[in-house]
Amino acid sequence: AQTVTQSQPEMSVQEAETVTLSCTYDTSENNYYLFWYKQPPSRQMILVIRQEAYKQQNATENRFSVNFQKAAKSFSLKISDSQLGDTAMYFCAFMKSSGSARQLTFGSGTQLTVLP
Amino acid sequence: DSGVTQTPKHLITATGQRVTLRCSPRSGDLSVYWYQQSLDQGLQFLIQYYNGEERAKGNILERFSAQQFPDLHSELNLSSLELGDSALYFCASSVVGARSEAFFGQGTRLTVV
Repeated sequence: AQTVTQSQPEMSVQEAETVTLSCTYDTSENNYYLFWYKQPPSRQMILVIRQEAYKQQNATENRFSVNFQKAAKSFSLKISDSQLGDTAMYFCAFMKSSGSARQLTFGSGTQLTVLP
Repeated sequence: DSGVTQTPKHLITATGQRVTLRCSPRSGDLSVYWYQQSLDQGLQFLIQYYNGEERAKGNILERFSAQQFPDLHSELNLSSLELGDSALYFCASSVVGARSEAFFGQGTRLTVV
């Protein structure tokens, strides 16, 4: 079974600054996907970024990037130039890449508040 | 808009009752997943269907059941409801393949009183 741990229940950052959210996971799988999802006050779950474990290159999506350390089983999210609209709960998630059972295992989430 | 549609958005019901939550996946997605988000348990996987067949089961109570119909929409049935079943229930869908990210519906907020 997989576990995902987010050790920062809450974080805050000033607008335009950079913030990093931490995530560690435990698995015996060699091939898998990792995701960051964002849940704003509207409660909608929005995919922010994904990373394939077989890729050494860290994924980036505009202001969002990850630091994927496979050996350390670490997957942090960096948000650059933080905006007020980034205020949300952020969830790290794991998914196996083999077979057709593709459920997500989520961490407990980090509530990020961007301060004006 | 993720393309995944869940109805109803809100549901208030009494203990002991039965409710049905409905999900229409994105066009072309064969997999449907149900998740429960509660304050004390976080986001938990309940069950996955793929093209009408059950593919994976998580922490789903025996009082809960689901199915996926030939048109690929899915229903989650919750019976003998208890106060602790109050939660946000999400449906997600995906294409099983190289790009497997799940897209979530807006959720159904269930309140059991």
